[in-house]
Amino acid sequence: KAGVTQTPRYLIKTRGQQVTLSCSPISGHRSVSWYQQTPGQGLQFLFEYFSETQRNKGNFPGRFSGRQFSNSRSEMNVSTLELGDSALYLCAIKESYGYTFGSGTRLTVV
Amino acid sequence: TQLLEQSPQFLSIQEGENLTVYCNSSSVFSSLQWYRQEPGEGPVLLVTVVTGGEVKKLKRLTFQFGDARKDSSLHITAAQPGDTGLYLCAGGGGEDGNNRKLIWGLGTSLAVNP
Repeated sequence: KAGVTQTPRYLIKTRGQQVTLSCSPISGHRSVSWYQQTPGQGLQFLFEYFSETQRNKGNFPGRFSGRQFSNSRSEMNVSTLELGDSALYLCAIKESYGYTFGSGTRLTVV
Repeated sequence: TQLLEQSPQFLSIQEGENLTVYCNSSSVFSSLQWYRQEPGEGPVLLVTVVTGGEVKKLKRLTFQFGDARKDSSLHITAAQPGDTGLYLCAGGGGEDGNNRKLIWGLGTSLAVNP
């Protein structure tokens, strides 16, 4: 069973809309991190949640938000989408030796 | 701003050749991780190094962490088409000491041609 499941895999949205992405870590993992990956900026840390509380936050505008539920599933929301939000959004869990990533959600804003 | 610079940015080689990619920073990290990412997928962890001067081997891949813990290299011997992908390095525990907020390089895109 995959360590992290992200849905949906692909999304196309229009500028100004909002979007919600989902991440389900394998059972037992209470920490979830989110990253944005673009060709020009690479992977950039968005935020980390642990037991439903945001523990760390990256340098992204307030349009980017997230939450975590009691079953460890996490969602991230982007409001008022901009063209520059087009990216691969990755969710990861921290293991003892490093991070395990999901396959990501490819968001395209048109 | 902390940066991890990876070089070269792109590399295209023939099957059987050897190669080395580099990950450099002006900052000290407590750990450095290497990942490989295939198109449309998330990065997959290859190795974590934590001790200055440490060398780790994973089959044909050799990873080295610099003595000062500011740089790292990945050497691949006899590259195969299956090695094709984006190789990313990520540093933890940098200037803010936060091991949970990795700093990432932009990656080296490797293509191994049969």
